[in-house]
Amino acid sequence: RKEVEQDPGPFNVPEGATVAFNCTYSNSASQSFFWYRQDCRKEPKLLMSVYSSGNEDGRFTAQLNRASQYISLLIRDSKLSDSATYLCVSDQTGANNLFFGTGTRLTVIP
Amino acid sequence: DTAVSQTPKYLVTQMGNDKSIKCEQNLGHDTMYWYKQDSKKFLKIMFSYNNKELIINETVPNRFSPKSPDKAHLNLHINSLELGDSAVYFCASSQGAVDYGYTFGSGTRLTVV
Repeated sequence: RKEVEQDPGPFNVPEGATVAFNCTYSNSASQSFFWYRQDCRKEPKLLMSVYSSGNEDGRFTAQLNRASQYISLLIRDSKLSDSATYLCVSDQTGANNLFFGTGTRLTVIP
Repeated sequence: DTAVSQTPKYLVTQMGNDKSIKCEQNLGHDTMYWYKQDSKKFLKIMFSYNNKELIINETVPNRFSPKSPDKAHLNLHINSLELGDSAVYFCASSQGAVDYGYTFGSGTRLTVV
């Protein structure tokens, strides 16, 4: 079983739509969680950290459900520039190591 | 003024050759990593170095050897390249614990022919 699992998509949504991604993590002791964004043929870039209380950054909202071991990302008012692959990430307890999901591909359509 | 820089960006080489990929970070981070992203886009940790000490060594073939002359550099040397080594290799760095995530380099696309 992979440490982090997410639906690969693709998600094709019209501009202005709201889209949500979920992922699950296997290690209940994981403490740090992130969403990364990866554009085609580019490196992953940190989008936002995910905190237990949930957090928001503009049009993006991240939530963590420890009981169910899942993480979510909500994107409101989608823009064409949001088209990318979104990677769900959790840490490995006791090590400076992050596990990445395989990513969910989002395409925002005009 | 790139924070994490890798060279080369592209590398095409024949099976059996030995090659190196260089990585440098100017963020003052104390931990550096190498990740491999395969054709299915799965990012997998290969190595990490903290203050010049290897602290993680995943089950990668011993043909792969990380070399860190100082905490700002972590190079990856690969011996006897195989077709299955074709992938994108990303260098990354972080400060201390991973609470703040990683900063990645732009990647090296390795193609073994």
